[in-house]
Amino acid sequence: SQQGEEDPQALSIQEGENATMNCSYKTSINNLQWYRQNSGRGLVHLILIRSNEREKHSGRLRVTLDTSKKSSSLLITASRAADTASYFCATDSTFMYSGGGADGLTFGKGTHLIIQP
Amino acid sequence: DAGVIQSPRHEVTEMGQEVTLRCKPISGHNSLFWYRQTMMRGLELLIYFNNNVPIDDSGMPEDRFSAKMPNASFSTLKIQPSEPRDSAVYFCASTDWTSREGDTFYNEQFFGPGTRLTVL
Repeated sequence: SQQGEEDPQALSIQEGENATMNCSYKTSINNLQWYRQNSGRGLVHLILIRSNEREKHSGRLRVTLDTSKKSSSLLITASRAADTASYFCATDSTFMYSGGGADGLTFGKGTHLIIQP
Repeated sequence: DAGVIQSPRHEVTEMGQEVTLRCKPISGHNSLFWYRQTMMRGLELLIYFNNNVPIDDSGMPEDRFSAKMPNASFSTLKIQPSEPRDSAVYFCASTDWTSREGDTFYNEQFFGPGTRLTVL
């Protein structure tokens, strides 16, 4: 079942502009991650934020997390044509204190981002 | 290092035929996941293994689907008999669940390129 819902479903902006995508989820989480998928390719991990974090940065990426609203946003600054892709949020709910192994991810439906040159 | 390897990359088969998808996780990884992606349902977790042991197969749609992981470097997903509604891209992903900072395991998953399955 789908945990996250991204919006918008599609976003088209000019190169150099900032792109913001949002994700909402339903149940309590351990981590929230964002992945990118280029057309016809596998998913690539971009950034992870833990449930006790509120904001994280990595290069041109900024992710925020609001656990009270069960939502996250991904901001890509100074967009480039190469950023054209689909972006997915993914959540997991396993706490690893006792060391039991990994948990499968629950993905949102994704935002298709198009950067116009 | 090689990433997650999946084969075949494309598979076209006829309804009723058996289909076997293969995955080789990243060396040293101890968790393996099978996902399916369709336009209608998006990305869905089918099954995953920790240390070669199946943990959760609740995402497997029907008894026609089965998965095995006979050793740490190989897994298969089998569909028998296949149906047109099984047409999708099937992804394998892996991670190392022992890699952590303190109590935190980040569960960053590394995806293969996928197998595009078309059932006619």
